[in-house]
Amino acid sequence: QKEVEQDPGPLSVPEGAIVSLNCTYSNSAFQYFMWYRQYSRKGPELLMYTYSSGNKEDGRFTAQVDKSSKYISLFIRDSQPSDSATYLCAMKEYNNDMRFGAGTRLTVKP
Amino acid sequence: DTAVSQTPKYLVTQMGNDKSIKCEQNLGHDTMYWYKQDSKKFLKIMFSYNNKELIINETVPNRFSPKSPDKAHLNLHINSLELGDSAVYFCASGRVPGGELFFGEGSRLTVL
Repeated sequence: QKEVEQDPGPLSVPEGAIVSLNCTYSNSAFQYFMWYRQYSRKGPELLMYTYSSGNKEDGRFTAQVDKSSKYISLFIRDSQPSDSATYLCAMKEYNNDMRFGAGTRLTVKP
Repeated sequence: DTAVSQTPKYLVTQMGNDKSIKCEQNLGHDTMYWYKQDSKKFLKIMFSYNNKELIINETVPNRFSPKSPDKAHLNLHINSLELGDSAVYFCASGRVPGGELFFGEGSRLTVL
C-alpha cells in the first residue's frame, strides 16, 4: 500500500461546478497537510496548508483534514477554467520529508 | 526575482552521457531538495540537503550525485544516463519542520 493514495483522474467538470479532490494516507504520524497546484510545464505551488485536523477556507478553496479516517479533501467552489491543473496532495511528519500523492488532473470546461 | 531557479529547463541527451542540473534559491532556506516527476506526474523525493547534511534516498541509483557548494545552491549530477532517467526533475527549498516547499520550474530531461 502506498503511503499516500490519490486518484489520478482525469476529472472534467463544467465551469461553475463544485470540485471535490481527495487523498487517503496510511501514516498516522503525518501532521502537516498541503495541497499543491501544478499548471502544465510549471512547478507545483502551494495552494492550501493545514496543520492537524480541521477545515481551512481561502476564497473558493476549502481544505479538510480528518485524521481519524486518514482522509483529506480539497473543495473548489464555482470552478473556473483557470483552475484547470494537476492538484497534488502532500503531507509530512514533524521534521521529515514531504510525501506526495500521484496528483489529480482537473479540467474545467467553459 | 525568481525564488527557486534551475537550469537548464530542457535537456536532451544520449544514453551513457553525463549531465548536470543546477539549482539556486534566494529565499534564505536551510533545506533544499531534488524531486523526480515521472510521466504520470508522481513526485518522488530523491535527496534532501539540510545545513550541509545530505540525506540520500536509498532507492536512488548512485549514478545520481547531489552537490551543494553553499546553502543557496544544490546541483544534481547524473552519470551514465539511462532511458529510464527521462523525467522532469524539480528542485525545491523549504524550512523544516513543517514549512511549505517552493519549487523551481523543473528541468525536463529526455534520454535518447
